[in-house]
Amino acid sequence: DTGVSQNPRHKITKRGQNVTFRCDPISEHNRLYWYRQTLGQGPEFLTYFQNEAQLEKSRLLSDRFSAERPKGSFSTLEIQRTEQGDSAMYLCASSLRQVNEKLFFGSGTQLSVL
Amino acid sequence: DAKTTQPPSMDCAEGRAANLPCNHSTISGNEYVYWYRQIHSQGPQYIIHGLKNNETNEMASLIITEDRKSSTLILPHATLRDTAVYYCIVRVAGSGGSNYKLTFGKGTLLTVNP
Repeated sequence: DTGVSQNPRHKITKRGQNVTFRCDPISEHNRLYWYRQTLGQGPEFLTYFQNEAQLEKSRLLSDRFSAERPKGSFSTLEIQRTEQGDSAMYLCASSLRQVNEKLFFGSGTQLSVL
Repeated sequence: DAKTTQPPSMDCAEGRAANLPCNHSTISGNEYVYWYRQIHSQGPQYIIHGLKNNETNEMASLIITEDRKSSTLILPHATLRDTAVYYCIVRVAGSGGSNYKLTFGKGTLLTVNP
């Protein structure tokens, strides 16, 4: 296993279109996270799964955003009716639940909404 | 999570030690100090963490002051590939509650010069 994989690496879309990103975590990791990062800022937490259960959603995550993790394996993040303000890097991370867990991040999906 | 304060940028000569400071004056007794870094176009990468003792691993050393209000990440022999944004994060130990969440600031952009 080579780490957390995210696809696609880049996505360009027109305003109003729907987009979906995929994250494949490290296989034995039971926790999965989505973060969003804009230029010059640190990553911001969006949502978190433990196995297949989505346990927290940030207030940053509007109703247009939905995330799933069927069967506790890969995860998808969908954005409906994209807006220009959605343009950002979307990062996925996974970890193993433990006292001092370390998060392993993928390389992200760069979304540009025109 | 408690807030941290880091300088926005630092320079270091290749081959020299890079010392990155972090202030966390409101840190609680059960909060660890974590360091991650983010190389351009990649996701953040875990470096090291500690509670109150100094820590060393293959990537770096972490020096935490006795009062735990500040820490320094040391890269002993910086290379050009160490050019990245370095994030200092404080996080409660334990795997329950909302301890899974990492809160990133803007970090320090370290530029290693030839």
